[in-house]
Amino acid sequence: DAGVIQSPRHEVTEMGQEVTLRCKPISGHDYLFWYRQTMMRGLELLIYFNNNVPIDDSGMPEDRFSAKMPNASFSTLKIQPSEPRDSAVYFCASSLAWDGRFQETQYFGPGTRLLVL
Amino acid sequence: GENVEQHPSTLSVQEGDSAVIKCTYSDSASNYFPWYKQELGKRPQLIIDIRSNVGEKKDQRIAVTLNKTAKHFSLHITETQPEDSAVYFCAAKGGSYIPTFGRGTSLIVHP
Repeated sequence: DAGVIQSPRHEVTEMGQEVTLRCKPISGHDYLFWYRQTMMRGLELLIYFNNNVPIDDSGMPEDRFSAKMPNASFSTLKIQPSEPRDSAVYFCASSLAWDGRFQETQYFGPGTRLLVL
Repeated sequence: GENVEQHPSTLSVQEGDSAVIKCTYSDSASNYFPWYKQELGKRPQLIIDIRSNVGEKKDQRIAVTLNKTAKHFSLHITETQPEDSAVYFCAAKGGSYIPTFGRGTSLIVHP
């Protein structure tokens, strides 16, 4: 398995532009998470999905952020309009809840480094 | 919700020394405690985990201990090597399926 795949790996954009980050979870995993990592705030959970359904989006900073998971193999995180304070590394992670026994491990993607000028 | 505190934020050791990173959690229902290692510019990766029915777990040079009464758990790395240099995150998972992460410890191992 290729693991969790994210694209793009790097994104540089100007303030006010729309940014779309993409994630392909590990096949068969039923949970998908979006995290944001900054030096100031550490690793923050933004939103997570279970079986493609958003369960908790309380970590989404504001209405400029939205996330979707149209099917089990794809998710997007969109920022519109983007602002310089959105600059961070955004990680997608996936996990499998049950495989005969509880499976807890989250597998992270390589991350997208976003810079908003 | 769960609150995880991690200390120290930075730890500098000489190669061959031991390193200990400590975390405390607030939710007594937490039952799963993973540790992740994140090398510079890379993704967090699980290195060891422990469940609440176990007090200690070892894997070669790394070990994790759990004190449920005091609600704290620790990562121990013995015979540190330069390649151990990274940011280490602890996490705790309770009633919800979602782990809460600590702020991370930057470990620097000097050759």
